[in-house]
Amino acid sequence: SQKIEQNSEALNIQEGKTATLTCNYTNYSPAYLQWYRQDPGRGPVFLLLIRENEKEKRKERLKVTFDTTLKQSLFHITASQPADSATYLCATRGAGNMLTFGGGTRLMVKP
Amino acid sequence: SAVISQKPSRDICQRGTSLTIQCQVDSQVTMMFWYRQQPGQSLTLIATANQGSEATYESGFVIDKFPISRPNLTFSTLTVSNMSPEDSSIYLCSVFSGRVSGANVLTFGAGSRLTVL
Repeated sequence: SQKIEQNSEALNIQEGKTATLTCNYTNYSPAYLQWYRQDPGRGPVFLLLIRENEKEKRKERLKVTFDTTLKQSLFHITASQPADSATYLCATRGAGNMLTFGGGTRLMVKP
Repeated sequence: SAVISQKPSRDICQRGTSLTIQCQVDSQVTMMFWYRQQPGQSLTLIATANQGSEATYESGFVIDKFPISRPNLTFSTLTVSNMSPEDSSIYLCSVFSGRVSGANVLTFGAGSRLTVL
């Protein structure tokens, strides 16, 4: 079955820099990848979806890429702000057409 | 998108007891999903709750341990039975909130953080 892997180590960056988070999948190329944001004490919130045939998707300061050769999606936050500090989760369709999630990467943006 | 309310938001429970978590959605939905998020871990789907039929459980989860009710199209409960410290987790309710580029996306409740002593 499909497995989603994200860097479990926290990413610490300085305010104003670009944060780049990685999501790797292990098996077949998924039809799409979804990115969610989760703040402490809250449920995940959907941010962006990129389909297999799309190389890049943007939404304001967010950009997602999909590289089927590397079996990887990159999630970029440009001009990062302390308010961007959160855990970011990658997800795709798994068994039974349900979403399967990666472990998430915690982002800390320092002022 | 749908708004989901979960109760309780957190609780501390004694080993061997059971706790029921409630999930209320502000609109009618066909399927409601229960996820578990153990400390530092990913979200794991426990079961899908369908109105008018038995819940569908994922591998590793059984009805005796996690009984689910779905009395109508806006409400579901998840019970964590005979709790042990290993059940300490965040339990999240979610629903499909729409489609983006042809794919279903999820909306989640705030979660219920259970600590079992």
